Amino acid sequence: DTEVTQTPKHLVMGMTNKKSLKCEQHMGHRAMYWYKQKAKKPPELMFVYSYEKLSINESVPSRFSPECPNSSLLNLHLHALQPEDSALYLCASSQARTVFYEQYFGPGTRLTVT
Amino acid sequence: AQKITQTQPGMFVQEKEAVTLDCTYDTSDQSYGLFWYKQPSSGEMIFLIYQGSYDEQNATEGRYSLNFQKARKSANLVISASQLGDSAMYFCAMREGGDGNKLVFGAGTILRVKS
Repeated sequence: DTEVTQTPKHLVMGMTNKKSLKCEQHMGHRAMYWYKQKAKKPPELMFVYSYEKLSINESVPSRFSPECPNSSLLNLHLHALQPEDSALYLCASSQARTVFYEQYFGPGTRLTVT
Repeated sequence: AQKITQTQPGMFVQEKEAVTLDCTYDTSDQSYGLFWYKQPSSGEMIFLIYQGSYDEQNATEGRYSLNFQKARKSANLVISASQLGDSAMYFCAMREGGDGNKLVFGAGTILRVKS
C-alpha cells in the first residue's frame, strides 16, 4: 500500500481565518514533506520532517506552521494567509531522506484564500 | 543554473505509439536519484519510475522505461503503447545528497494522447 491521504480536498478561507491541513501515511515512512504547487508549475518544497523532527524549512513565511505529532501524521497550520497563498498543497512521504528512495504524494488540498 | 531541464513544454502522441519525454540534469554529486512523476488534471502526483546513479541497467516499470545516459546527464522517459489515460503533466525530478536530499523538479511536459 503506497497511500498518502490528505484532508480536506478543498479549502476556502478568509485572510483572518485559522485552518489546518492534515496528511497521513501508514507505510512506516520516516520522512514527510509539504510542497506548494501553483498552476502549471512544478511543486516547490516547503518543509521536511525526518524522524518527526523538522529538518528543512525553505524560508517559508511564519503564517505557515508545520507540525508532526507522530510518525504517521503531518499537519500544516495556516493563519493570516494572503490571496497569493492560494495553491495546491501536496504532502509526501518517503522511507527515508536519502537520495535512493522515491517520495509518494497525497492527492493534495486545493486552497483558496479570499 | 537549472538542475533539471525539460525542454518540451508540450507533446502529442498517437494512441498505441511510443513517446519519449526528455530530461537532462546537472549535478556534481556521485550519489543521486532520478525520478519521473505523472500528474493528471486531478492534481495527484503519481510516482512512475526511479533510476539510481549507480544503477548499471535502465529502469523499467511496465510500459515505462527510463533511458539513462550518465555521461550525457540525461534521463529520458519512454512510454510505450500510449493510452488515452496517459494524457497528463510529466515531471522529471532529482535528489542529490549535496543539497539535503531535496527533490528538485523540472518544469514539466504536458503530454496529450490522440485517438
